[in-house]
Amino acid sequence: RKEVEQDPGPFNVPEGATVAFNCTYSNSASQSFFWYRQDCRKEPKLLMSVYSSGNEDGRFTAQLNRASQYISLLIRDSKLSDSATYLCVVTTSGSARQLTFGSGTQLTVLP
Amino acid sequence: DTEVTQTPKHLVMGMTNKKSLKCEQHMGHRAMYWYKQKAKKPPELMFVYSYEKLSINESVPSRFSPECPNSSLLNLHLHALQPEDSALYLCASSQTGTGIEKLFFGSGTQLSVL
Repeated sequence: RKEVEQDPGPFNVPEGATVAFNCTYSNSASQSFFWYRQDCRKEPKLLMSVYSSGNEDGRFTAQLNRASQYISLLIRDSKLSDSATYLCVVTTSGSARQLTFGSGTQLTVLP
Repeated sequence: DTEVTQTPKHLVMGMTNKKSLKCEQHMGHRAMYWYKQKAKKPPELMFVYSYEKLSINESVPSRFSPECPNSSLLNLHLHALQPEDSALYLCASSQTGTGIEKLFFGSGTQLSVL
């Protein structure tokens, strides 16, 4: 089993739709969680950290479920500009080696 | 706009060439990273410098040689690369390198080895 797993997609959704991605992790000692967004041939950019209580930033909502060991990202009212690959990152304290990327979920928002 | 600056943005080199990738950050971060990313794959960790000392080398071939001249600069020296080394090379920084921090990435160098 991979340490961090994501559905690779692609997710093709119409503009204005709501879309959700999940990311599961295997290490119950994982401490910090992030969602990054990466456009084609560009660098990953931090979208949001994921907090235990859940957090929202505009149209984006991130949640953490420690019992089931997954994090989620919900995008409401999708825009064409949301088209990208979304990478989840799960980290465990102690070493940068413990920072693990998921393989990414590709989203295309269609006009 | 990224606060981690990488140069060059694109690089084409032959297998006998020597070249260097450069990275600079002015956020006061004490950890700097090199990642390699192939198309449709997540970034793979290569090296980590923490407080200007090499703390992680993920069994990277010696044809890749990192250097950290000071806390703001990170170089990756390339020599005798293979075509399979063609990839996007990403520099990143974080506050201390403990593993639980967010990473800030540079815009990357798209490397092609002919």
